[in-house]
Amino acid sequence: AQKVTQAQTEISVVEKEDVTLDCVYETRDTTYYLFWYKQPPSGELVFLIRRNSFDEQNEISGRYSWNFQKSTSSFNFTITASQVVDSAVYFCALSENNAGKSTFGDGTTLTVKP
Amino acid sequence: DAMVIQNPRYQVTQFGKPVTLSCSQTLNHNVMYWYQQKSSQAPKLLFHYYDKDFNNEADTPDNFQSRRPNTSFCFLDIRSPGLGDAAMYLCATSKTFIGTPGAVEKLFFGSGTQLSVL
Repeated sequence: AQKVTQAQTEISVVEKEDVTLDCVYETRDTTYYLFWYKQPPSGELVFLIRRNSFDEQNEISGRYSWNFQKSTSSFNFTITASQVVDSAVYFCALSENNAGKSTFGDGTTLTVKP
Repeated sequence: DAMVIQNPRYQVTQFGKPVTLSCSQTLNHNVMYWYQQKSSQAPKLLFHYYDKDFNNEADTPDNFQSRRPNTSFCFLDIRSPGLGDAAMYLCATSKTFIGTPGAVEKLFFGSGTQLSVL
């Protein structure tokens, strides 16, 4: 069975601080996909990134970066120089072969204060 | 421009009174999904359509049904809403399944419909 754990329920930082959101996953599959989604107060989940299990290369996109470590089954997300607009709930998700049939973590609520 | 549109944004219904939530998409995607998300919880997949093929999750209650009359529209019907069905309902689409060779898939979500049951 698949499982995604986001141990941090809530994180609060001050603007311009760096923040890392943790994600640990469990799966028996050798091929799988990992995602991060952002859910702002408006409710719509916004896709941030997808990672394949066979590609451990870390990725940077602007202020966002992701650290994928198969050895520790982790897929952590770092926001550099956080901004108030980053305030949202962030979900990590795991999928075997169908983006829709993803197992979501319980989410981390990030609050960035001015 | 919104690509996955859910109406209404807020829906109030009475205990036991059937209610229908709607979702439309302008992406011409093959797959449409319905998720239920309760407060402070992860989205939970209820079912999905691949074109006309309906796929129900094993733990989705019979009280929840879905219709997809065409590529663009998908409906969620709750036959007899209970208080426990109050939640945000999210519609999502994807072009195809992520495992399809060469596919680089992600989900596109609508803004959701917040359902209240009185």
